[in-house]
Amino acid sequence: SQQGEEDPQALSIQEGENATMNCSYKTSINNLQWYRQNSGRGLVHLILIRSNEREKHSGRLRVTLDTSKKSSSLLITASRAADTASYFCATAAGGGADGLTFGKGTHLIIQP
Amino acid sequence: GAVVSQHPSRVICKSGTSVKIECRSLDFQATTMFWYRQFPKQSLMLMATSNEGSKATYEQGVEKDKFLINHASLTLSTLTVTSAHPEDSSFYICSAFGGRNYGYTFGSGTRLTVV
Repeated sequence: SQQGEEDPQALSIQEGENATMNCSYKTSINNLQWYRQNSGRGLVHLILIRSNEREKHSGRLRVTLDTSKKSSSLLITASRAADTASYFCATAAGGGADGLTFGKGTHLIIQP
Repeated sequence: GAVVSQHPSRVICKSGTSVKIECRSLDFQATTMFWYRQFPKQSLMLMATSNEGSKATYEQGVEKDKFLINHASLTLSTLTVTSAHPEDSSFYICSAFGGRNYGYTFGSGTRLTVV
């Protein structure tokens, strides 16, 4: 079943600014992942945060997870034109061999 | 890193024909592969879970006789769209799970257009 709602659905910012996307989900999770998809392409895995973690960093990415609110946020700092893409959160209920449930995605546009 | 190869990247077929899409894990073994469908400007929806050597598990609402999945080896899963219709036109993406070391790796997707 579809769960995971990102907001905003679309976000346009100037290059150099920070971009924040939020994701909510409905059921218990083992982990939450964020992916990037360039137009018409496959998905690129960005970062995974486990249910017992609250925050994680990877380069210009910062992810938070609040399991009490069933929500996560993805922050991209110092955005670049190349960051223009759609971003999806995805949850996995089990330890690994379950399909991912994706949110609706946020389309991010970085204005040069 | 883990790589999943998906072919073809684009295919146009006539209504009523069948199309096969291949998904290969190139440098790791994947006991489980997943097939997703994505309509324009929408999210990915899980269609089915494919386990090597056994029957695929389909999500509710996905016709197993229309979307045939074969996972004959630890590195190859195929999705065959049978008797394709224009409403089957979509972007199909596979994903291979390579355990804790490799996690989920996605193919580059197949754009299917049925005319």
